[in-house]
Amino acid sequence: ETGVTQTPRHLVMGMTNKKSLKCEQHLGHNAMYWYKQSAKKPLELMFVYNFKEQTENNSVPSRFSPECPNSSHLFLHLHTLQPEDSALYLCASSQDLGKREKLFFGSGTQLSVL
Amino acid sequence: EDQVTQSPEALRLQEGESSSLNCSYTVSGLRGLFWYRQDPGKGPEFLFTLYSAGEEKEKERLKATLTKKESFLHITAPKPEDSATYLCAVQAGGQNFVFGPGTRLSVLP
Repeated sequence: ETGVTQTPRHLVMGMTNKKSLKCEQHLGHNAMYWYKQSAKKPLELMFVYNFKEQTENNSVPSRFSPECPNSSHLFLHLHTLQPEDSALYLCASSQDLGKREKLFFGSGTQLSVL
Repeated sequence: EDQVTQSPEALRLQEGESSSLNCSYTVSGLRGLFWYRQDPGKGPEFLFTLYSAGEEKEKERLKATLTKKESFLHITAPKPEDSATYLCAVQAGGQNFVFGPGTRLSVLP
C-alpha cells in the first residue's frame, strides 16, 4: 500500500469514551502532521512531528494526545471529547520539516462526538 | 500574522464555462504557495507548487499563476469531474503551512 493511510474512516464516540486515530505513511517521510478540518473553516494545524519528536503543539486541548512511535506511524488519542470536536481529522506527511515541499494527506477520519 | 483568503466561497459553472479562483495572502517571507483539490470526505490532493512571482504551472484544464500578493487557479472548459473544493496554502518563514478556507466549485453538465 502506498501513500498515507488513516483508520478508522469514520468514528462515532460519546463524550466519556476513549478512542485512538491511527495514521501510517509509506513514503519514507520524516515529518508527520495532524490537522483538524471543521465545516467551512480552514485546516487547523494541531501537531507536528519530525523524526518522532514533537516540534509543535498548536495550543491543542489536552483531551487530544498525540503519539509518534516512529517516523512511519502517528496516533491521536482522544478522551472526554466535546461535541465541538466533531470534525474531519487529517494526517499528513512531508519529506522533511521546513523545506519548500508539499504535504501528502490521508483520507481522514470523520469524527462525530455525541 | 500570516493569512490566506480565498474567493469566491462557492462557484457554480456550466460545463465548458471557464473561470478563475483567487487566493490572496499576507505572509512574511513566502517560501511556497500550494494548490490542493479536495473531494467530499477525502483528504486534500496536491495539484501545484509555485515559488516566485511570475511563475505558472499547468495540468490538464487547470493553470495556476502567482503574483506577490495573490494566486489564481484558472479553469478552462471545466467538466463535471472538476467539481471539488480547491484549497490554497502558503508556507512562510515560520515553515508551517497556512491554509485558506477553500472555494467550493460545482460544474453542471
